[in-house]
Amino acid sequence: GAGVSQSPSNKVTEKGKDVELRCDPISGHTALYWYRQRLGQGLEFLIYFQGNSAPDKSGLPSDRFSAERTGESVSTLTIQRTQQEDSAVYLCASSSDRNYGYTFGSGTRLTVV
Amino acid sequence: AQSVTQLDSQVPVFEEAPVELRCNYSSSVSVYLFWYVQYPNQGLQLLLKYLSGSTLVKGINGFEAEFNKSQTSFHLRKPSVHISDTAEYFCAVFSSGGSNYKLTFGKGTLLTVNP
Repeated sequence: GAGVSQSPSNKVTEKGKDVELRCDPISGHTALYWYRQRLGQGLEFLIYFQGNSAPDKSGLPSDRFSAERTGESVSTLTIQRTQQEDSAVYLCASSSDRNYGYTFGSGTRLTVV
Repeated sequence: AQSVTQLDSQVPVFEEAPVELRCNYSSSVSVYLFWYVQYPNQGLQLLLKYLSGSTLVKGINGFEAEFNKSQTSFHLRKPSVHISDTAEYFCAVFSSGGSNYKLTFGKGTLLTVNP
């Protein structure tokens, strides 16, 4: 597609449930990033995928968070046993060259009730 | 480690007035600098970037920014704002070289343009 696509755009879930967020990067972009944006905060790095290299998971806040990526295409971010503090907008971005900025999707707004 | 400070969390201005959104960064190595804009309920859109060369960078929608190495700043400016410029603006940095590839963002500045 022309841009980075994320789904769902909004997700309301009950505390303790698992959720899965999806990101479709721009075709040909080898790098994919997940960021979290809490209300009134900047963007918090979560995880980075580059081609077939091992992902950098150093930003994942707890072991309830995990992410996968199939080759150089779709990525899913999974949050298990969601907590209220997980409520945020989760943004995905892709890049063809890390030095030239990222293209962001519109995000998934997650609300844990 | 690199960090970004956006000095103003909110900037209200009147339409057609000039505006400057401030950004300071810290990094021990050379940097690339970016400004992103986020309109309500949308993702982030790249406004402009500084990679090298001229320190005055022009972006979309009439915005420009100036890289000042001695002051470690990358302030965003527009000479005359429109109502449609109301949005959140994020400054971001990452350091060239090494294995650092993470854009580090500031906390954002909410620009509100009033009629």
